[in-house]
Amino acid sequence: DAGVTQSPTHLIKTRGQQVTLRCSPKSGHDTVSWYQQALGQGPQFIFQYYEEEERQRGNFPDRFSGHQFPNYSSELNVNALLLGDSALYLCASSRTQAQYFGPGTRLTVL
Amino acid sequence: QQQVKQSPQSLIVQKGGISIINCAYENTAFDYFPWYQQFPGKGPALLIAIRPDVSEKKEGRFTISFNKSAKQFSLHIMDSQPGDSATYFCAASRIGNQGGKLIFGQGTELSVKP
Repeated sequence: DAGVTQSPTHLIKTRGQQVTLRCSPKSGHDTVSWYQQALGQGPQFIFQYYEEEERQRGNFPDRFSGHQFPNYSSELNVNALLLGDSALYLCASSRTQAQYFGPGTRLTVL
Repeated sequence: QQQVKQSPQSLIVQKGGISIINCAYENTAFDYFPWYQQFPGKGPALLIAIRPDVSEKKEGRFTISFNKSAKQFSLHIMDSQPGDSATYFCAASRIGNQGGKLIFGQGTELSVKP
C-alpha cells in the first residue's frame, strides 16, 4: 500500500515565477492538507481540501491556492514567488483525524 | 491561543536512557494531540496520538502522558536508541468539521549517544 507521494522532490524557481506542487494521498484517504515547513521550524498549516473544496485555511496570502481532484489527489499553486517562500512543502492525507505526511517538496526561490 | 509550546529545543540522552519532551497548549478546544518524528530530508511520521479522555497512552517504547487541567502533554521514549535520533514535534487540533488543522510545536532535536 503506497503512502502519500509528492512531486517533484526538489524545485528551484526565481522570484516572481509560479509553481505547482502535486500530492497523491494514501489509498482510502479523502482529505488532503498542505503545510509549509521553514528550516528549523514546525510545519505551518496552509489549507485543507475535502470533497474538492477548500475546507479550512491558515494565515497564508491568496498567492497560495490549491485544488483537489475527483481521485482525491491535490495540487498546491504559489504565484509571484518570494524569497521567503523557500521551504519544504508537505502534503498530509487523512480519512479521520490521523494525518500522514508525504516526503515533501523542497522549494528554493532565488 | 493557537500556540503549542514545546521544550526543550534540544536533548542529548545516553543509549538506554529515557527521553522526555514536553508540550503546553492554551486552546481548550483542542482535543487531539499527536506526536511526529522527522528525520532530516523526510516528512514527519506519526508516532502516537492521544485524546484528552485518557491520561496516558503507550505504544511500544513510546508513551504520551496527558494532564488536561494543566493543559500539558509529554512524550516519553523508554530505552532510547541511537536510531531514535531525530526531531520530534508535538501538535494539537480539533476533531470535527472544522478540525484537522494541526498546530505544531517548534520541535525538539533529540540525539541519543551510544
